[in-house]
Amino acid sequence: GAVVSQHPSWVICKSGTSVKIECRSLDFQATTMFWYRQFPKQSLMLMATSNEGSKATYEQGVEKDKFLINHASLTLSTLTVTSAHPEDSSFYICSAQTTSVPYEQYFGPGTRLTVT
Amino acid sequence: AQSVTQLDSQVPVFEEAPVELRCNYSSSVSVYLFWYVQYPNQGLQLLLKYLSGSTLVKGINGFEAEFNKSQTSFHLRKPSVHISDTAEYFCAVSSNTGKLIFGQGTTLQVKP
Repeated sequence: GAVVSQHPSWVICKSGTSVKIECRSLDFQATTMFWYRQFPKQSLMLMATSNEGSKATYEQGVEKDKFLINHASLTLSTLTVTSAHPEDSSFYICSAQTTSVPYEQYFGPGTRLTVT
Repeated sequence: AQSVTQLDSQVPVFEEAPVELRCNYSSSVSVYLFWYVQYPNQGLQLLLKYLSGSTLVKGINGFEAEFNKSQTSFHLRKPSVHISDTAEYFCAVSSNTGKLIFGQGTTLQVKP
């Protein structure tokens, strides 16, 4: 149980285009999902908290207009990187949180984004 | 505010030797503690967690960790490592909000 999927697993796009990444909790409902970014040889950096049916909460320094998050259902959150630039190239990981305390997060396999 | 410090960025060890990956945290409230493993180009897999109860926690792949409240530590141990344990290990802390704070990560390099 507690499986989280991400799609696509890797994507290459041209500078100026937008890319959407999906995060799905396959066998449980998640009112809260998280989006992380990870640079090579570094830890995970929390970008935003995605709440079903409401606006996402972004961490300080993360551009909400550039990284659009939508959490339209209890099993799906999407991250759209708008007008992507090479510096947006990174490994993006999502997690889905259980709905009762103590909360636990289950992680997706990640999406490698390369912007050329 | 909460924070996590992983004291070693890299830990080289020979196969079948024991290993300890160190993790210290700071928090003004009760915490939950986690260790995750990440293999190259993959997401995070939960190794073990401390939520409450016994301070010695056993996880998958033969790993265990001990929660020490007085020393604010949650060190990860394995008595005998395998080549396949080579990976990045992350210690993390959360509170009732569920938001995870990660350490910087420790690269475990198991040598034959």
